[in-house]
Amino acid sequence: DTEVTQTPKHLVMGMTNKKSLKCEQHMGHRAMYWYKQKAKKPPELMFVYSYEKLSINESVPSRFSPECPNSSLLNLHLHALQPEDSALYLCASSQDPGQFGGQPQHFGDGTRLSIL
Amino acid sequence: DQQVKQNSPSLSVQEGRISILNCDYTNSMFDYFLWYKKYPAEGPTFLISISSIKDKNEDGRFTVFLNKSAKHLSLHIVPSQPGDSAVYFCAASKTNSGYALNFGKGTSLLVTP
Repeated sequence: DTEVTQTPKHLVMGMTNKKSLKCEQHMGHRAMYWYKQKAKKPPELMFVYSYEKLSINESVPSRFSPECPNSSLLNLHLHALQPEDSALYLCASSQDPGQFGGQPQHFGDGTRLSIL
Repeated sequence: DQQVKQNSPSLSVQEGRISILNCDYTNSMFDYFLWYKKYPAEGPTFLISISSIKDKNEDGRFTVFLNKSAKHLSLHIVPSQPGDSAVYFCAASKTNSGYALNFGKGTSLLVTP
C-alpha cells in the first residue's frame, strides 16, 4: 500500500470545467511534489513545495494552480485545461533534501486525467 | 535534453537468473541516484538509492553499482522473480540545488518462469 494517497484515481473533465486533484501523506515529510507523466514517458516535475511554500515551478501554465494547505496536504487546481493536458498526475513526498541531503521521493498511484 | 538515459527499452530474464539494468547520465553535478519500479496503474515505488560518495549499495536482492568516471549506474536483481516484472526507472538529482528528480525513460523487465 502506498503511503501517499491521491484522489480521485480517474478524472474526466471538459475544457471549461474547474476541478481539483488531492494528495495526502502522513509520513511527516516536509517536501511535496507534483509530476506529470505522459504515456511511454518518464515523470516530469511540475511543482515543489517545501515547508508549505512553493519553491519550484517548472514553467507550468497558469491553468494549473498548486496549493499546500498544510504539511500533509497538496492540491492541484485545474481550470480551462487543454486536451494535451491529458496525462497521469503523480504526487510525491520526501524528507527535506535541503536539510537531510539526498532523499527518496515516495509516490502516490496518481490521478489519470482525461480532457475532452 | 535527456540527462538520464536508459538505452534498453526492454529486458527478458529467466526466473532465478540475474537481471542487470543499466543507466547512464550526462550531468556530472548529479550526486544522488535512485531506482524505482513501476507496475501498470500504480505510481513508481522506490527501490534503492546511492550517494555519489559510494560505489555500491545493497538491499536484499537488489544492488546498485555506481561508476562515476563512466557516469554509469546499474541495478542488479539476484535472483530474479516473476513478481519483479515491471518497468524500472533510473533517476538522478543534485542535492545542493534542491529537489528535482531527473528520470530515464525506463526499462521494461520481464522475468519468465
